[in-house]
Amino acid sequence: GENVEQHPSTLSVQEGDSAVIKCTYSDSASNYFPWYKQELGKGPQLIIDIRSNVGEKKDQRIAVTLNKTAKHFSLHITETQPEDSAVYFCAARLWGGSARQLTFGSGTQLTVLP
Amino acid sequence: SQTIHQWPATLVQPVGSPLSLECTVEGTSNPNLYWYRQAAGRGLQLLFYSVGIGQISSEVPQNLSASRPQDRQFILSSKKLLLSDSGFYLCAWAHSANRETQYFGPGTRLLVL
Repeated sequence: GENVEQHPSTLSVQEGDSAVIKCTYSDSASNYFPWYKQELGKGPQLIIDIRSNVGEKKDQRIAVTLNKTAKHFSLHITETQPEDSAVYFCAARLWGGSARQLTFGSGTQLTVLP
Repeated sequence: SQTIHQWPATLVQPVGSPLSLECTVEGTSNPNLYWYRQAAGRGLQLLFYSVGIGQISSEVPQNLSASRPQDRQFILSSKKLLLSDSGFYLCAWAHSANRETQYFGPGTRLLVL
């Protein structure tokens, strides 16, 4: 089955700096990669996703890049703000697979220091 | 628009007591439904998923069970709670036709004492 590894497990940045979180996946057939943000005590919320036919996707201060050859994808947050502090999860899914096939990374605790 | 509800938000239960957590989805039909457990604020462990009424797939053998009595209702149960059942329980849904994106509910925090 699919295995997703996420690094780093914790990340601290100064407000205004950029943050990068990286994930690798094992199944080359995976072709959908969402990112979730989980604030303390709340459920994860989808913030951006990318499909394997696209190499990069941006949404304001957030961007995701995908390298299919190397089987890794990354979340980039620019001009970080204190409200970006949260746990971020990456995930990978096999298109057309069974209903269960969304595999999550172990999460990154991002802290933005004022 | 679609919304997902979970209740209760917080629950404290003694060891050996029963459990029933409920999840409902509004604004969509025949969704895929999922129960996850999250321990220590990290790591999403898939417990059960359902593609339709009465159809439950279990991912991890344990003393929990799930049921789907109605199209948009998903229930997580236990007959006797263990200390190790403490955690944050999340329900999620996905479109049955486009199953890729899962949307999570607000979660239930369970503390077993």
